[in-house]
This record gives sequence, structure tokens and C-alpha cells, in this order.
Amino acid sequence: GQQVMQIPQYQHVQEGEDFTTYCNSSTTLSNIQWYKQRPGGHPVFLIQLVKSGEVKKQKRLTFQFGEAKKNSSLHITATQTTDVGTYFCAGRRDSSYKLIFGSGTRLLVRP
Amino acid sequence: EAGVTQSPTHLIKTRGQQVTLRCSPISGHTSVYWYQQALGLGLQFLLWYDEGEERNRGNFPPRFSGRQFPNYSSELNVNALELEDSALYLCASSVGLRTGELFFGEGSRLTVL
Repeated sequence: GQQVMQIPQYQHVQEGEDFTTYCNSSTTLSNIQWYKQRPGGHPVFLIQLVKSGEVKKQKRLTFQFGEAKKNSSLHITATQTTDVGTYFCAGRRDSSYKLIFGSGTRLLVRP
Repeated sequence: EAGVTQSPTHLIKTRGQQVTLRCSPISGHTSVYWYQQALGLGLQFLLWYDEGEERNRGNFPPRFSGRQFPNYSSELNVNALELEDSALYLCASSVGLRTGELFFGEGSRLTVL
């Protein structure tokens, strides 16, 4: 079945440092989504990427979808303490298929 | 506009018991998803309903079941509870079958003793 893996599992950075999490799917995806879950909270949608090679930016966050539509990355520039949380990617094999979440990357930021 | 609402927020059961969790999607949303999140872990896909029909099912035993009602609200039932069923059960809704963003509820925290 479809599997979505994320690395690293944890990342502990000093405030101001950059952070990147990588997402890899065992199958080609129709699209990929990214969510953020704050400690004690529920996942909140960040963005969706659909096109091969697509790059989108949200302030300090940069999202990329691989050319083969099997991998994606989220890069945060100059992390802040408000960035703390777990970042999940989620992908569908096709538009009528279930949304499978990656294992998540937990980001901790030292002030 | 009200978000996705789930009930109960917390509950404690003992092994072998049965539990029903409820979810009301955002008004106008027809798709409802259920995920299980064990403490500190990722989201495991349970069930997906759209327009009252089950669209997909995750790799969970048959004692996990659910349904979606005509008003698009949904129930998740778990029979013969086991200790490892202790988790946060998250419900999410989306506008329709092929639309992207999922809106999550706060979840139902189940503890099985």
C-alpha cells in the first residue's frame, strides 16, 4: 500500500537557524499537502502543491514538490519559537484516494 | 462559522468495552475523515466517508467501524476495546470528494484501562 515517510523525526534548532523536513512517497502522488500540529493541538492545513516541480512560499516557509511527484520538502528560514510543532506532509495517490499522512517531523526551537 | 466539532473530548473505558465517537463537519462539507493518533506519533488513516458512502478504509481490524448520516455528521465505533486503542481520534472534513484542505476537530482522547 501507499506509504509516506518523513525525515528527520526530530529537529532541535537554535532560534534563527534554518529547518528542513523531507517527505518521500512510495508511489506517485496527485498532490501533496502540509500541516502543522502545535503541542496539544490538532493539525492545521498549511498548503497544497499539485504540479510537478512546484515551489510555493509563505513568508519564511518554502514548499517544494519534486519533479517525479514522489517527494516534497518544507524549509523554514530563520526559525522562531512560534514555529515549534510537528510538521506533517500528506499525499494522495489520486484524487479519489485516501489522504495518507507522513510520520511527521517534530521541530523544537531554543530561544 | 463553526468548525469541526467532536464529542466527547475525553473518555475512559476498560478493555472489552465499546465506544462511539461523534463528529460534526463544517457546514457545507460532505467528506469526513477519521484518523487515529497514538501519543507522540503520526496520524493513521481509519475511514473516509463522502456523501454517506464509505470511500476508503485503513488497515484496522473490523471492530473499527463507522457511518455517515444524511446530514454528513459521522460516528466512529470501536468494539472490544484493547489497551492499544488508547489514542487521540481526530475527525476532519473537507468540501467534497476531490478538494484538498482538511479541517480537523480538536479530537476525542480515548484512554483504555
